[in-house]
Amino acid sequence: KNQVEQSPQSLIILEGKNCTLQCNYTVSPFSNLRWYKQDTGRGPVSLTIMTFSENTKSNGRYTATLDADTKQSSLHITASQLSDSASYICVVSATGAGKSTFGDGTTLTVKP
Amino acid sequence: DTGVSQDPRHKITKRGQNVTFRCDPISEHNRLYWYRQTLGQGPEFLTYFQNEAQLEKSRLLSDRFSAERPKGSFSTLEIQRTEQGDSAMYLCASTSTRGEGEKLFFGSGTQLSVL
Repeated sequence: KNQVEQSPQSLIILEGKNCTLQCNYTVSPFSNLRWYKQDTGRGPVSLTIMTFSENTKSNGRYTATLDADTKQSSLHITASQLSDSASYICVVSATGAGKSTFGDGTTLTVKP
Repeated sequence: DTGVSQDPRHKITKRGQNVTFRCDPISEHNRLYWYRQTLGQGPEFLTYFQNEAQLEKSRLLSDRFSAERPKGSFSTLEIQRTEQGDSAMYLCASTSTRGEGEKLFFGSGTQLSVL
């Protein structure tokens, strides 16, 4: 069964600090992995997309890594801001599959 | 605004009533998805369309749920005889299979409360 597990479930950090969120998956055959940011009461917004051959991708202060051998990904947020407070969802797609597998997200709270 | 739009944003209904939600995807996107999301959980797949064809429907989806995309553009999701357990955020997303990595663009969702 295709699964995506994220950790930690929730995280509280101080403004300006860095943090790393984890995603482990068992989706096969792997096609791509995406990280989304979801603000409260809004739909998710894409941050990064990575395919099998990519092991790192950046989008501003967000850097995602992918280890396709261990089936792990991480999202690193640098110099956090209050606006980074949101849920971060890892989504993995299998080749030829119409739908993707979503993790339950990590809820990040950035405090001043 | 060229993003995915959903209507209504909020819906409060009494148990047993029928409700219908609408989703207008990005115009050039050929795939449209419906998801359900409850607090603290990731979006749960309900169904998806490629153009007007409904290609997959979740096995977990009760027969009270039905979705249409009659002209391959907007879509509707209907829930008949609503139950309190149907209370959730209903998200619509669209993408193009001709694009890069099938990046999903989500609407802001319809928050359903069944009393």
